[in-house]
Amino acid sequence: SAVISQKPSRDICQRGTSLTIQCQVDSQVTMMFWYRQQPGQSLTLIATANQGSEATYESGFVIDKFPISRPNLTFSTLTVSNMSPEDSSIYLCSVTFRSTDTQYFGPGTRLTVL
Amino acid sequence: SQKIEQNSEALNIQEGKTATLTCNYTNYSPAYLQWYRQDPGRGPVFLLLIRENEKEKRKERLKVTFDTTLKQSLFHITASQPADSATYLCALDMAGGGADGLTFGKGTHLIIQP
Repeated sequence: SAVISQKPSRDICQRGTSLTIQCQVDSQVTMMFWYRQQPGQSLTLIATANQGSEATYESGFVIDKFPISRPNLTFSTLTVSNMSPEDSSIYLCSVTFRSTDTQYFGPGTRLTVL
Repeated sequence: SQKIEQNSEALNIQEGKTATLTCNYTNYSPAYLQWYRQDPGRGPVFLLLIRENEKEKRKERLKVTFDTTLKQSLFHITASQPADSATYLCALDMAGGGADGLTFGKGTHLIIQP
């Protein structure tokens, strides 16, 4: 099965700064997604990362706050910009493969904003 | 918008018994309904997928049912073991096919007592 890695695994950041999270897969994927899991809450879809074009954002999420890149079929980044304590959360990438209808998740990035 | 309800309280089950978890949703039935397992500090892991036109699916000790009239899915773990202790997430794929992101419930924390 494919290996999905995220960097960093965790970070503690100051208010007002930005953090870029990387998601790398060891084989080509069809779709890549970014989710947020706030404490005690369900996973919430932030956006679909589209290769070579702008990401598709869900209601309540905007590109200025969460810019996303996907330069190729195996890699994507999510930036959390101008952070506030409310952005403290676990951020997860997930992928699908051509042969399956299910999603496979990375290990997550635990972000704490002070 | 679609809302998903799962048992909000932790579910304590004696080892060897069958654990039954509930997922109820509002609005339209999804094309696919999926169940994931999430352990602390890790990303969700896919367990089972059931389609709109299917009533039941099984995989080893796991069984899922899907009732579109009741707007409900039940997830069963038979002969439960302490290693089954985790949070179980219900997720809806409204369009099916894995091209869109998933809508998740908050999950049910299952504890199997030895």
